[in-house]
Amino acid sequence: AQKITQTQPGMFVQEKEAVTLDCTYDTSDPSYGLFWYKQPSSGEMIFLIYQGSYDQQNATEGRYSLNFQKARKSANLVISASQLGDSAMYFCAMRESRSGGSNYKLTFGKGTLLTVNP
Amino acid sequence: DSGVTQTPKHLITATGQRVTLRCSPRSGDLSVYWYQQSLDQGLQFLIQYYNGEERAKGNILERFSAQQFPDLHSELNLSSLELGDSALYFCASSGETGGNYGYTFGSGTRLTVV
Repeated sequence: AQKITQTQPGMFVQEKEAVTLDCTYDTSDPSYGLFWYKQPSSGEMIFLIYQGSYDQQNATEGRYSLNFQKARKSANLVISASQLGDSAMYFCAMRESRSGGSNYKLTFGKGTLLTVNP
Repeated sequence: DSGVTQTPKHLITATGQRVTLRCSPRSGDLSVYWYQQSLDQGLQFLIQYYNGEERAKGNILERFSAQQFPDLHSELNLSSLELGDSALYFCASSGETGGNYGYTFGSGTRLTVV
């Protein structure tokens, strides 16, 4: 089973509108972290936002917010007031903290290609 | 500049050859992670080193190997290269536990095998 699922291969949004990118995850670990990264066409991975599994409030970072629904195991990214520069690939990722272990790698979804239209 | 330095940025080589990718982590970070990004497989975790020791291994081929040196820089060695090894290889570093914002990615090395 996939640990991170992003069901939208591509999304289109009009400039200045809000858009939600979906992410669901699968883990039995009670302690985990969820991340969103942006990858523009230039290729670099840019950290956007983080949500810890024990965080009571949804994370926000400027125009980015994370809609965290723990029971549904979803961590959707909301981008408000889209800009042309938001056109990029967006990846959801999860870090699991395994007791007694040392594995803190990130597991990534397959990504969503967001296109912002003028 | 993210603080993680990867060299070279681009590499073109022939099948059967061997290449070495280099990564210098962000200052103070002890963990280094290697990822491979290809069109068909997405972002795949290869291997993690922590303070010189291998910590976790993912989908890394036997033809690939890595190490982390005492100065904490890491090298990923790819040998007997095949066309399918063409990909973007990322290095990321983090502090001891990964943390909230602890992962910093380099700009990647784009490997093309011809």
